[in-house]
Amino acid sequence: GENVEQHPSTLSVQEGDSAVIKCTYSDSASNYFPWYKQELGKRPQLIIDIRSNVGEKKDQRIAVTLNKTAKHFSLHITETQPEDSAVYFCAATDYGNEKLTFGTGTRLTIIP
Amino acid sequence: DSGVTQTPKHLITATGQRVTLRCSPRSGDLSVYWYQQSLDQGLQFLIQYYNGEERAKGNILERFSAQQFPDLHSELNLSSLELGDSALYFCASSSSGADPGELFFGEGSRLTVL
Repeated sequence: GENVEQHPSTLSVQEGDSAVIKCTYSDSASNYFPWYKQELGKRPQLIIDIRSNVGEKKDQRIAVTLNKTAKHFSLHITETQPEDSAVYFCAATDYGNEKLTFGTGTRLTIIP
Repeated sequence: DSGVTQTPKHLITATGQRVTLRCSPRSGDLSVYWYQQSLDQGLQFLIQYYNGEERAKGNILERFSAQQFPDLHSELNLSSLELGDSALYFCASSSSGADPGELFFGEGSRLTVL
């Protein structure tokens, strides 16, 4: 089955700086890669996703890049703000298989 | 509000007991997923149902079982509870069949086994 590894497990950045979280996956058939944000005590929520037919996707301060050859994808947050503090999860799955496999999460702390 | 409703929000019980967690998906969503999140842990996939049928199974213990009813709500049954079963159990729903798309999570049911 799919195995998703996520690094780092914790990340602290100064407000205004950029944050990068990286994930690798094992199943070359995977072609859907979402990122979820979970604030303290809250439910996970989708913030951005990418499919295998594109290499990069942006949404305001958030971007995701995908390298299918190397089987890794990354989340980039620019101009970080205090409200970006949360746990971020990457995930992977393939069409026809709705079993999303999540990474172990990255606790991002924005230092004011 | 994601539109996914989970009950109860909190549950405290003793080892060896049995509990049932309930989930109502978003209106129109046919898929229901169950995830377990232990303290400072990731989201462990347990099981998925699509329109009443089991679609995918993860690392779900034999002591755990689930079902999805004709009205599409789902229940997760946890029996012979152990201390290690203490966790936050999330239900999520999606509208998709083959295309995964976005999962909408409920607020979770926090289970404490004493």
